[in-house]
Amino acid sequence: ETGVTQSPTHLIKTRGQQVTLRCSSQSGHNTVSWYQQALGQGPQFIFQYYREEENGRGNFPPRFSGLQFPNYSSELNVNALELDDSALYLCASSSGTSGGATDTQYFGPGTRLTVL
Amino acid sequence: QKEVEQDPGPLSVPEGAIVSLNCTYSNSAFQYFMWYRQYSRKGPELLMYTYSSGNKEDGRFTAQVDKSSKYISLFIRDSQPSDSATYLCASSNTGGFKTIFGAGTRLFVKA
Repeated sequence: ETGVTQSPTHLIKTRGQQVTLRCSSQSGHNTVSWYQQALGQGPQFIFQYYREEENGRGNFPPRFSGLQFPNYSSELNVNALELDDSALYLCASSSGTSGGATDTQYFGPGTRLTVL
Repeated sequence: QKEVEQDPGPLSVPEGAIVSLNCTYSNSAFQYFMWYRQYSRKGPELLMYTYSSGNKEDGRFTAQVDKSSKYISLFIRDSQPSDSATYLCASSNTGGFKTIFGAGTRLFVKA
């Protein structure tokens, strides 16, 4: 059973640019959630995808968007990058019929994004 | 006011000590309560989850939830240097998916 993987590990962008982060779910998982973790803070929920549909969204602007593919891998896209977008971006996959909170979330190692 | 509040520490204890980590939450709708451990440069890993009030024990770890006071606790017995990490408490609604995390408490266990 393979774990959750994310790419790239680190990324440096400049303000105004666009970025795409990728996540491969754990085998057998159909739900992916994305979180933003600023330095010294806990992860903040961005959105969740269940079977290729957005299943809910946190308090993030529309320039944060995502996709989930038929193989349940996922992308997080951020447009018009701002300095405050610098953070660790985590994806977490889980299994279950509804993608509810009781399903154990397995986190990837994260992508460290720096916006200059 | 944040929905889940957690003292960021750091907390430093000698090996073998009992560690008590605590959080408070404000949303009465929260039914699921989790503790995650995060090592440096790693993603969080789920340690324990509890539904509603009560205690749950797993080896050296005990999680407690008191919904009347909106208080969440994690106890670590016989702490080890390998327990040194950031501990995140988290909560969510019944059947919900949006997990709200505390800021995390950094724990150092000295050999």
